[in-house]
Amino acid sequence: KAGVTQTPRYLIKTRGQQVTLSCSPISGHRSVSWYQQTPGQGLQFLFEYFSETQRNKGNFPGRFSGRQFSNSRSEMNVSTLELGDSALYLCASSLVASGAQHTIYFGEGSWLTVV
Amino acid sequence: QKEVEQNSGPLSVPEGAIASLNCTYSDRGSQSFFWYRQYSGKSPELIMFIYSNGDKEDGRFTAQLNKASQYVSLLIRDSQPSDSATYLCAAKTSYDKVIFGPGTSLSVIP
Repeated sequence: KAGVTQTPRYLIKTRGQQVTLSCSPISGHRSVSWYQQTPGQGLQFLFEYFSETQRNKGNFPGRFSGRQFSNSRSEMNVSTLELGDSALYLCASSLVASGAQHTIYFGEGSWLTVV
Repeated sequence: QKEVEQNSGPLSVPEGAIASLNCTYSDRGSQSFFWYRQYSGKSPELIMFIYSNGDKEDGRFTAQLNKASQYVSLLIRDSQPSDSATYLCAAKTSYDKVIFGPGTSLSVIP
């Protein structure tokens, strides 16, 4: 069974540009969460989608947005990139979005460098 | 107060010893708890999860949960150099978010 797939794995962008990251969850999983990981802040929750609806959102500015498609694949977008957005962006999928069975499995991440 | 707290370490233990990793959480309504291992430059991988008070064992790993004290721990028996990594504690809060602690860096010395 394939795991969570994230693309691209590595990318370099310039301040002010925008970026779109893609995530394909484990087959059958309907929930997708996004996290930002930096050395200083650790793993920070961005948002979670289930059945194309955003269920939860973290404390990030509106420049960070996401969506989920009918096949459960998800994308996140960061507009007007800042140097501080340089981070590892991790996508995680789970079978369900609530309850005790809400166990998340991570993809390998997308390394974003903003210069 | 952060929602999930861990000692950042580094925690150093000799090979073959027991490594004890601790985690506290602030949301008393948190339902389930997870331990992930993350090697440098890699993504977190799930070690185990625990929902009920008490101990849960899986091979060399034992997770312990005490909801009254809002405390979760992970014991690693017979620690190996390959266990050297950052261990992340996560809690599924009452508002359905999975929130991670800052992680504890573990170093197993041969």
